[in-house]
Amino acid sequence: QSVLTQPPSVSGAPGQRVTISCTGSSSNLGSNYNAHWYQQLPGTAPKLLIYGDTNRPSGVPDRFSAFKSGTSASLAITGLQAEDEADYYCQSYDRSLGGWVFGTGTKVTVL
Amino acid sequence: EVQLVESGGGLVQPGGSLKLSCAASGFTFSDSAMIWVRQASGEGLEWVGRIRSKANNYATAYAASVRGRFTISRDDSKNTLYLEINGLQTEDTAVYYCARFREENSGYSDYWGQGTLVTVSS
Repeated sequence: QSVLTQPPSVSGAPGQRVTISCTGSSSNLGSNYNAHWYQQLPGTAPKLLIYGDTNRPSGVPDRFSAFKSGTSASLAITGLQAEDEADYYCQSYDRSLGGWVFGTGTKVTVL
Repeated sequence: EVQLVESGGGLVQPGGSLKLSCAASGFTFSDSAMIWVRQASGEGLEWVGRIRSKANNYATAYAASVRGRFTISRDDSKNTLYLEINGLQTEDTAVYYCARFREENSGYSDYWGQGTLVTVSS
């Protein structure tokens, strides 16, 4: 069982805005460890979407943004597109576990 | 262009062993920390372990669920990362990904391989 909890699914119509939460604790996000986000399209490897809480790697559309506060982080997708249908994972470091952890994952469905 | 190509997966009987490889190109492998992540079918991502560079004494760290059975190593002369798995259990069945690990910002992976499937079954 992951120490970073995400909603199993979120959905939205094309063009809408959706957000995905990532809830941690004082041993990970709450200890000021950064949150990172990955997108996994069906049948493919994960792809880095956001690093260091809010930063987008080159090539990631600015429709994707992220925020972190306290023991939680969130990913927002604005102007939802059909190609955004994928699984999304947050990730951070957990000092109690002494290692890196992924969130439980959220499936985004474009209606 | 950064490329990571895993190999070595396959069907293994419970209790068996396997050594996965990850061939890296397009970046200075010897300067990079690397990780392994696995994903069981229909499940989420699970961090397996990390190995640092020679400058950091090739230090390793493992998830509690695999510690003692999994060993990560690397051959910088071959730009290759390895994951040796002993005492395979059915719950080790998963796609195994290697990824380059950036140690700043609490650690994240910017490049991933396509994965190799390990199936543990009798």
